[in-house]
Formats: sequence, structure tokens, C-alpha cells
Amino acid sequence: IQLTQSPSSLSASVGDRVTITCRASQDISGYLVWFQQKPGKAPKLLIYASSILQSGVPSRFSGSRSGTDFTLTISTLQPEDFATYFCRQVNSYPWTFGQGTKVEIK
Amino acid sequence: QITLKESGPTLVKPTQTLTLTCTFSGFSLSTSGVTVDWIRQPPGKALESLALLYWDDDKRYSPSLKNRLTITKDTSKNQVVLTMTNVDPVDTATYYCAYRYASGTYYSDFWGQGIPVTVSS
Repeated sequence: IQLTQSPSSLSASVGDRVTITCRASQDISGYLVWFQQKPGKAPKLLIYASSILQSGVPSRFSGSRSGTDFTLTISTLQPEDFATYFCRQVNSYPWTFGQGTKVEIK
Repeated sequence: QITLKESGPTLVKPTQTLTLTCTFSGFSLSTSGVTVDWIRQPPGKALESLALLYWDDDKRYSPSLKNRLTITKDTSKNQVVLTMTNVDPVDTATYYCAYRYASGTYYSDFWGQGIPVTVSS
């Protein structure tokens, strides 16, 4: 299963609304997770089952699904949110990944 | 608190066998629903799933690497080991191990920090 994630990078300012999309090549029944990764750190789970916020993750993060299209939204970008975000389908192995989106400071 | 840490050589020669160990704490690999898998990320490229181990010792492998990979566990030591044979420079990557537990509406997913591995003569 191929995941097409876009954009590959974006520049944004603190306070901006940011949207990242991930499109699956076939039905994955909503089994998609979103991670945040900072340099030298372990990836951190943000969203699972397309739209469920992991405990402890700020509510400015949200996920949604429309068929095979998935979206991660950061409602109000904070300084600590500048990082790389990637999606992963966990419907069928091998669990595949999107290419990642690097969110940079404008 | 769940933690995972990858260990092993950071430099291996082509054709050698790479053995990586994932040492974990905070969970039991005997618990139903638990999995540990290995993932890698070559420089500048996307993440790639390599091998998956279930709590009941069932295993899955990436089809493209299946013939070169073996994943095993040592429950007494809280370790999962990945062996990759006949390495090549294209296997240069950061290798991660990750824990996943899914049951009903509960989901947990933790990764180690990764270990960079270079394949070069």
C-alpha cells in the first residue's frame, strides 16, 4: 500500500493553521497514524485510527479521514511544532509510510 | 514508562551480517496484542518497515527483504533481535525498533531513538 504525503515541506509562522495530507493507494479502513519527529529524537505518536488524539497530545492537533484521504491539522502552530510529520498505515503489513513533511519557520 | 533502545554496530562491511538488538522496558512481549517491529530510514529517504514480531511469535517481513532478514525475541532479556545478511551500501540507514499495542479503542506506539548504521568497506 502506497501512501502519498504532501507537501514534502512547508514554511509557516507561529499562529498559522497547517494542513498535511496523506493519500492511500487503496482502502486502509482508517488504520492510519500520524507521528511527529524532531532531529535526533524518537518519533512521537500524535493521532491514531485517523482521528483519535493520543493522550497528552495538545488539542491543536487533529486528524480526519475522507475515504482514502487523510489530513493532519495543526490549528495554531506553536514554536515547538516545528518538526517533521509523517503518516503510517497499519492496516496491512508491511506497514508503509508517507514521505514526511518538514514544517519550517517562515 | 515504555522505552526502547537500539544497539549494534554502526559500521559494517559489505557482505557482512548485521545484527541489531532492541532492548525494551515497560511492557511484556508476552502480552496479547503487543508487537515489536524494525523500521529503517536511509539518508534523505522515506521510512521503511522491515520486520514485525507478534506477542505469539508470529512474524512478518518486508517482501523485498524477506530472504535477508530474521527477527527473533528473547523474552527473558526483554530483547528483540534483527539479523540482516549480506549487507550492501544501500542498507546504510538509521534503524529503529518500535512497540505497538492495539486493543479495542486503545492504541499505543513507542519508538526508540534509532541507531545509524553505515555499510562501507
